[in-house]
Amino acid sequence: EAQVTQNPRYLITVTGKKLTVTCSQNMNHEYMSWYRQDPGLGLRQIYYSMNVEVTDKGDVPEGYKVSRKEKRNFPLILESPSPNQTSLYFCASSSIRNEQFFGPGTRLTVL
Amino acid sequence: QKEVEQNSGPLSVPEGAIASLNCTYSDRGSQSFFWYRQYSGKSPELIMSIYSNGDKEDGRFTAQLNKASQYVSLLIRDSQPSDSATYLCAVNSWDTGNQFYFGTGTSLTVIP
Repeated sequence: EAQVTQNPRYLITVTGKKLTVTCSQNMNHEYMSWYRQDPGLGLRQIYYSMNVEVTDKGDVPEGYKVSRKEKRNFPLILESPSPNQTSLYFCASSSIRNEQFFGPGTRLTVL
Repeated sequence: QKEVEQNSGPLSVPEGAIASLNCTYSDRGSQSFFWYRQYSGKSPELIMSIYSNGDKEDGRFTAQLNKASQYVSLLIRDSQPSDSATYLCAVNSWDTGNQFYFGTGTSLTVIP
């Protein structure tokens, strides 16, 4: 089954404790992306990657890191999480026509 | 700052009616346009993509694009209660690094 998977689905952590949210896709898509979704602000792009070893900042990259060492994986790293990073996070990958397929989401709470 | 604007709603239509959802965008260089449906607590799901001016139909859904007016719309014919969801408009431009910009979504309720 074609899919984008994310782990963990839910995470409660404390300020400053480094965490990684994994994302993997099995559709051989070159483009992958991370979004955060907040009430009233919609989906905002954090980082995206057009291919292995190629990453670019989206609209809200501050406080986040990404890496793309393999085509299928695109982890999101929060090296020192803060409460304002409490949000719902989505990973997505897209086809050559830029039609994005989203993962199930990760609900992150930073205390 | 590139912007994508949608009426937040809520938009209520009776079952069987046509629901009309609208979206405007600020970047004239935008080249790809998408409509996603998002049920509460779920991830966005692609409904339609449109790349050139005019209408594109897929089943009960029709996307309309007018690049001169920087306007894209989604019509849902014969609306069903299962269409009740938030609809997200997204635009994309290859010229500026292939970033995506989403509207905040329109909440649609189809009343049985």
